[in-house]
Amino acid sequence: SYVLTQPPSVSVAPGKTATITCGGNNIGGRSVHWYQQKPGQAPVLVIYFDSDRPSGIPARFSGSTSGNTATLTISRVEAADEADYYCQVWDSPLDLRVFGGGTKLTVL
Amino acid sequence: QVQLVESGGGVVQPGRSLRLSCAASGFTFDTYGMHWVRQAPGKGLEWVTFISYDRSKKYYADSVKGRFTVSRDNSNNTLYLQMDILRVEDTAIYYCAKDFDQWLDYGMDAWGQGTTVAVSS
Repeated sequence: SYVLTQPPSVSVAPGKTATITCGGNNIGGRSVHWYQQKPGQAPVLVIYFDSDRPSGIPARFSGSTSGNTATLTISRVEAADEADYYCQVWDSPLDLRVFGGGTKLTVL
Repeated sequence: QVQLVESGGGVVQPGRSLRLSCAASGFTFDTYGMHWVRQAPGKGLEWVTFISYDRSKKYYADSVKGRFTVSRDNSNNTLYLQMDILRVEDTAIYYCAKDFDQWLDYGMDAWGQGTTVAVSS
């Protein structure tokens, strides 16, 4: 089955830019979604279809894909952005949804 | 606004069964596909199953195939997950989630708060 690989952790200072990657075989050919999950809370969709933002998600959140890597970028990071972030795709040949292992974003 | 409320979790012995429910409101339930996603303690998200808006398509993760059954009652806006032959490794918070788009793969845009299932002897 399709595998998505994320770094376990990323650290960034407030006001700087955080970059979270998601690796997968030819992931650029798939639609990638990103979720934010804060402790004790349900996940929230922050990016869908590679780079689109649902209503209510700040423009500081952006996404891109190329080749074997999808990237979630958070600009001007705030303390409230500290959370776990998960990428997700649809493994269409098998009709399965797949999540990456998650990345813990720490705001220093 | 969209609301998803799970229920039915609890403590159960290995090999036993449990049925989860997810009550939906705030959207036209019978036009969206729905998912169950779980999260073991201290672990990441794991997709469990999907059911299409009209129940014609049902898909399962390999880890639950043959043991779990997803269903829905569109007249009562409720999603279900029948879990049989439970294993210790099924211990998790179970979330129901709504497809963002009726036709396209745009991810899951609404999630419930989850219900906890603990499988232990």
